[in-house]
Amino acid sequence: DGGITQSPKYLFRKEGQNVTLSCEQNLNHDAMYWYRQDPGQGLRLIYYSQIVNDFQKGDIAEGYSVSREKKESFPLTVTSAQKNPTAFYLCASSIQPDSEKLFFGSGTQLSVL
Amino acid sequence: AQTVTQSQPEMSVQEAETVTLSCTYDTSESDYYLFWYKQPPSRQMILVIRQEAYKQQNATENRFSVNFQKAAKSFSLKISDSQLGDAAMYFCAYRSFNTDKLIFGTGTRLQVFP
Repeated sequence: DGGITQSPKYLFRKEGQNVTLSCEQNLNHDAMYWYRQDPGQGLRLIYYSQIVNDFQKGDIAEGYSVSREKKESFPLTVTSAQKNPTAFYLCASSIQPDSEKLFFGSGTQLSVL
Repeated sequence: AQTVTQSQPEMSVQEAETVTLSCTYDTSESDYYLFWYKQPPSRQMILVIRQEAYKQQNATENRFSVNFQKAAKSFSLKISDSQLGDAAMYFCAYRSFNTDKLIFGTGTRLQVFP
């Protein structure tokens, strides 16, 4: 089955620690995205990538980093510079950058110990 | 900057009845897309329906339909014959024609009672 796989489902971070959230898709989609969701709020864009080896900052990129070395993978690192990392993180992809249809993964809940 | 407003934090409906969720947006653009996404307890986002701003005809997907009022910048979602499985958070979203960025509202939690 084609789809987007996010792992782990739950992740805990110690203070000062970097953690990496995984996002893999086998849909052969060109564009991939990372969103953050806080309670009572909609999704906010962290980073997005339209092609391999290229990515752009979204609205709330500070404290996060990404890479796009392979078409199917778009990992997100939450660095120690992100002071309020507790949130639900959703990865998404689309067949091409200007496609209006996004496919979402099942998300990762990140909490701070 | 574009904004999306959902003024109903919670709504409820009885099974088999009809409910309408409200969404307004602010933009100076003339070409854009509008979406309704459903987020069930599993938390995975599911596209319910989308509307292209240049189309006057309201989009319909089975029991889901929209009332798109471009001049009023309003984009409401009507769910007919509500089912228990419709219970979820519903998010309205906006996307410009020329960008990849989706702008989401804060969501409406829909409860469906038997």
